[in-house]
Amino acid sequence: SQTIHQWPATLVQPVGSPLSLECTVEGTSNPNLYWYRQAAGRGLQLLFYSVGIGQISSEVPQNLSASRPQDRQFILSSKKLLLSDSGFYLCAWTRGNTEAFFGQGTRLTVV
Amino acid sequence: SQQGEEDPQALSIQEGENATMNCSYKTSINNLQWYRQNSGRGLVHLILIRSNEREKHSGRLRVTLDTSKKSSSLLITASRAADTASYFCATDASDYKLSFGAGTTVTVRA
Repeated sequence: SQTIHQWPATLVQPVGSPLSLECTVEGTSNPNLYWYRQAAGRGLQLLFYSVGIGQISSEVPQNLSASRPQDRQFILSSKKLLLSDSGFYLCAWTRGNTEAFFGQGTRLTVV
Repeated sequence: SQQGEEDPQALSIQEGENATMNCSYKTSINNLQWYRQNSGRGLVHLILIRSNEREKHSGRLRVTLDTSKKSSSLLITASRAADTASYFCATDASDYKLSFGAGTTVTVRA
């Protein structure tokens, strides 16, 4: 069966520090991968999505970047975090135009 | 900007009542999906309706889709306390971009 792993679950980082969130998918190949951010009590903002290795589509030009070094690995990064980067980050995968499977999320607090 | 917008933003109902929420979107879609999110967790897929379908059922859930109005509705019948959650609609297009609305927060009172 397919599973998605996202870590860490919680992260507190100082302003100006780097960020690396990792998401891996097991049990499938060639998934479409997504990074979303959710502010408290709000909807999901699509940050990046990828339909293949090295193919990244950026939806919101910000202080963040994404990479897909392997077929089932999706990484969200920042060189210098801002206070406004705080939020709940969710990784998800799909196969074509089908249902999405989500990780459990990372609660990032920038202090 | 978000593709879908849910209405209402929040809904409070008594256990056993039905809950209805709506979603409007802006561009052509391949399908429309509904998800549930319990507080602080990831989203769970509920139901998918394709652009050539008008209605779909799954257990206590009923989804309708009107592509001419670019809108969808989710009905939860005979609500339970466990249905308390946020509900989101999501749309995808031919480029696999999957966009979510702002969500409807449903509270079911015992």
